[in-house]
Amino acid sequence: DTAVSQTPKYLVTQMGNDKSIKCEQNLGHDTMYWYKQDSKKFLKIMFSYNNKELIINETVPNRFSPKSPDKAHLNLHINSLELGDSAVYFCASSLQGFANTGELFFGEGSRLTVL
Amino acid sequence: GQQVMQIPQYQHVQEGEDFTTYCNSSTTLSNIQWYKQRPGGHPVFLIQLVKSGEVKKQKRLTFQFGEAKKNSSLHITATQTTDVGTYFCARAGGTSYGKLTFGQGTILTVHP
Repeated sequence: DTAVSQTPKYLVTQMGNDKSIKCEQNLGHDTMYWYKQDSKKFLKIMFSYNNKELIINETVPNRFSPKSPDKAHLNLHINSLELGDSAVYFCASSLQGFANTGELFFGEGSRLTVL
Repeated sequence: GQQVMQIPQYQHVQEGEDFTTYCNSSTTLSNIQWYKQRPGGHPVFLIQLVKSGEVKKQKRLTFQFGEAKKNSSLHITATQTTDVGTYFCARAGGTSYGKLTFGQGTILTVHP
């Protein structure tokens, strides 16, 4: 069973379109995250949710809107896609927030290509 | 600030050679985590270091946390082709609950 699963794995779309990526974890974790990995492999946190509550919202354009219907799901919706949004988006979860540090469990990633 | 600097960015080695990546912070770290990402894969947790001067080993991998808790290293002895990938250190967020900040990563290539 996949612990953290994301769909879709690949997404190719035109500039200006709106798209969503879904994430689910079956680990019973309280905290979920979205990370963006650019072409240089740099991993940057975008959002963090703890028990459906938004905890971290980094400097991310408001075209990106996360939604957590329950603590096992964290979806990412992106409006008006731009070329610079092309990246791999990783969902992750942890048992607890980083205050006491828990390891992150990452999904397999969703590679978004904006043409 | 909250960043961790990781060097080198790239490392090419011959199979059997050793490899080390370093992670440095200007501020004291509460702890440090290390992750490995295989090509085309996702980051996978390797280890967490918490105590000053801590040294932990996993087979051919040796992880160290500096005495001042401002730096850390990952050393691989006698690299194998299965070691290829990107190695990341990551620091917990201090006052930012739920934030793990990653270093830039070291991309390791092992030539057979």
